[in-house]
Amino acid sequence: QVQLVQSGAEVKKPGASVKVSCKASGYTFTSYGISWVRQAPGQGLEWMGWISAYNGNTNYAQKLQGRVTMTTDTSTSTAYMELRSLRSDDTAVYYCARMLSPAKGYAFDIWGQGTMVTVSS
Amino acid sequence: QSVLTQPPSVSAAPGQKVTISCSGSSSNIGNNYVSWYQQLPGTAPKLLIYENNKRPSGIPDRFSGSKSGTSATLGITGLQTGDEADYYCGTWDSSLSAQFGGGTKLTVL
Repeated sequence: QVQLVQSGAEVKKPGASVKVSCKASGYTFTSYGISWVRQAPGQGLEWMGWISAYNGNTNYAQKLQGRVTMTTDTSTSTAYMELRSLRSDDTAVYYCARMLSPAKGYAFDIWGQGTMVTVSS
Repeated sequence: QSVLTQPPSVSAAPGQKVTISCSGSSSNIGNNYVSWYQQLPGTAPKLLIYENNKRPSGIPDRFSGSKSGTSATLGITGLQTGDEADYYCGTWDSSLSAQFGGGTKLTVL
């Protein structure tokens, strides 16, 4: 079945970096984009950016520009999100999500299970 | 502060109907498709509606979506206790950045 499986929970100190993986299966990885969305405890969804698994093109949310990098490894059908210079307000559950085509409004139809990232000294 | 505006909460009795609104602008909803997501407690969001009013396979027709101008609405009929969740609208803007509403907590009384 189509699924996205993410890496496990992380605990990091302020100023450190974290890299979360998202392994796709059950579909042709390069045919869809992947977005990353995070959710702070008790808060709503925040879009972080997306990457084309076809050509690696990216578009990041303005507030994260310079701190986030999204990459893919097509040989393993895995997407990665690295966030640097972590702060306490980066504590959140991080989700990867598959994006439907432009004709379908780029809706997010498949979601990973989420990865909890805790930033604490 | 979310770009898309949703009511923080709505409630209705089992079997009744509820609607959730999502208000935006011409730079997002007005010129792009709207999608809706259901997030049950402790789980990842799930796609309910895409392209304003289409349901993915497996989503019951109790869920419906509509869009008019710069606003969109999610409707849920025949409410069940299992529908208690947070609901988010989503769309894109002209710079191909995604936007979400702040979320609406549905309580089935």
